[in-house]
Amino acid sequence: GENVEQHPSTLSVQEGDSAVIKCTYSDSASNYFPWYKQELGKRPQLIIDIRSNVGEKKDQRIAVTLNKTAKHFSLHITETQPEDSAVYFCAASSVSGGSNYKLTFGKGTLLTVNP
Amino acid sequence: NAGVTQTPKFQVLKTGQSMTLQCAQDMNHEYMSWYRQDPGMGLRLIHYSVGAGITDQGEVPNGYNVSRSTTEDFPLRLLSAAPSQTSVYFCASRRTGELFFGEGSRLTVL
Repeated sequence: GENVEQHPSTLSVQEGDSAVIKCTYSDSASNYFPWYKQELGKRPQLIIDIRSNVGEKKDQRIAVTLNKTAKHFSLHITETQPEDSAVYFCAASSVSGGSNYKLTFGKGTLLTVNP
Repeated sequence: NAGVTQTPKFQVLKTGQSMTLQCAQDMNHEYMSWYRQDPGMGLRLIHYSVGAGITDQGEVPNGYNVSRSTTEDFPLRLLSAAPSQTSVYFCASRRTGELFFGEGSRLTVL
């Protein structure tokens, strides 16, 4: 089955700096890669996703890049703000059904943005 | 739409007791799943279902049972609770893209 590795497990940055979180996946059949943000005591919520037919996607201060050949994808947050502090999870799955339809998550990155 | 609804939000059990975590969604999603979240372990898949009458095991299925008699409901049963099942449990559903989570159920087994 799919295996997703996520690094780093913790990341501390100063407000205004950029943050980068990296993930690798094992199953070449995966073609959907979402990122979730989970604030303390809350449910995970989708912040951005990318499908395998594109290499990069941006939404304001966040962007995701995908390298299918190397089987890795990254989350980039620019101009970080204290409200970006949370746990971030990457995930991988297929969108076309079959046994890989389930989402497999990385272990998460605790991002702390210091004022 | 209410989205994904889980009950109860909190539960304390004694070792050996049984209970059911309820999950319902009103988005007509075929895919539903249960995750458990433990510190440093991320979100680990317990069981999932791709439609009514179809269920399959995830990464950590031992000690849990599921059934899917309707599209809307996907209950998770603990037959004989153990302290190792102390965790936060999330139900989630999707159509083809985004996975929508419930608010979570915090379970403590003494």
